[in-house]
Amino acid sequence: GQQLNQSPQSMFIQEGEDVSMNCTSSSIFNTWLWYKQDPGEGPVLLIALYKAGELTSNGRLTAQFGITRKDSFLNISASIPSDVGIYFCAGQMGGSQGNLIFGKGTKLSVKP
Amino acid sequence: DAGITQSPRHKVTETGTPVTLRCHQTENHRYMYWYRQDPGHGLRLIHYSYGVKDTDKGEVSDGYSVSRSKTEDFLLTLESATSSQTSVYFCAIKQAGQPIYEQYFGPGTRLTVT
Repeated sequence: GQQLNQSPQSMFIQEGEDVSMNCTSSSIFNTWLWYKQDPGEGPVLLIALYKAGELTSNGRLTAQFGITRKDSFLNISASIPSDVGIYFCAGQMGGSQGNLIFGKGTKLSVKP
Repeated sequence: DAGITQSPRHKVTETGTPVTLRCHQTENHRYMYWYRQDPGHGLRLIHYSYGVKDTDKGEVSDGYSVSRSKTEDFLLTLESATSSQTSVYFCAIKQAGQPIYEQYFGPGTRLTVT
């Protein structure tokens, strides 16, 4: 089946640092979504991207839809402790009937 | 909050028993989805529905069936649970309207098959 490669798999953050993660695919997507999941809860939608090249912000979060439509990245600026969790990218192909393909997630933890 | 509830939130069952998980939504969304989440695999689509009595298979549908007899409820049934079906199950709805494509998730059901 289709696959999204999400990297890094995990990373440690120190409060105040900027964080970057990305997703790549061999397939073209019409939509990119970024979710955050806290332990014991469902994923929460952070940002949705609909156009190639689109750059969208949500507070300290910024995400971009790659020009080739095969990739997307998410940046978190000036990280805070509540940013820890698992971040997932998801891509949607085709028309409105298309289903989402999810990356395997990037786990953000606090540096010991 | 997309008005999605899942029940039960936790369940322990024995191998070979039937199990039904319920997803309930209050906002009249046409599309509903069932996913499972496992370490190392992320979220994988089991089945989805695009209307009352209209359902289709996802990536990992073997061993699962679904039913949607009314808009607000989407049921996932494990006819004979196996240990490989131990997982966290999430229901989702799709926000309608082109070009918007946004799925919102419920709180999840943690299922353990012993």
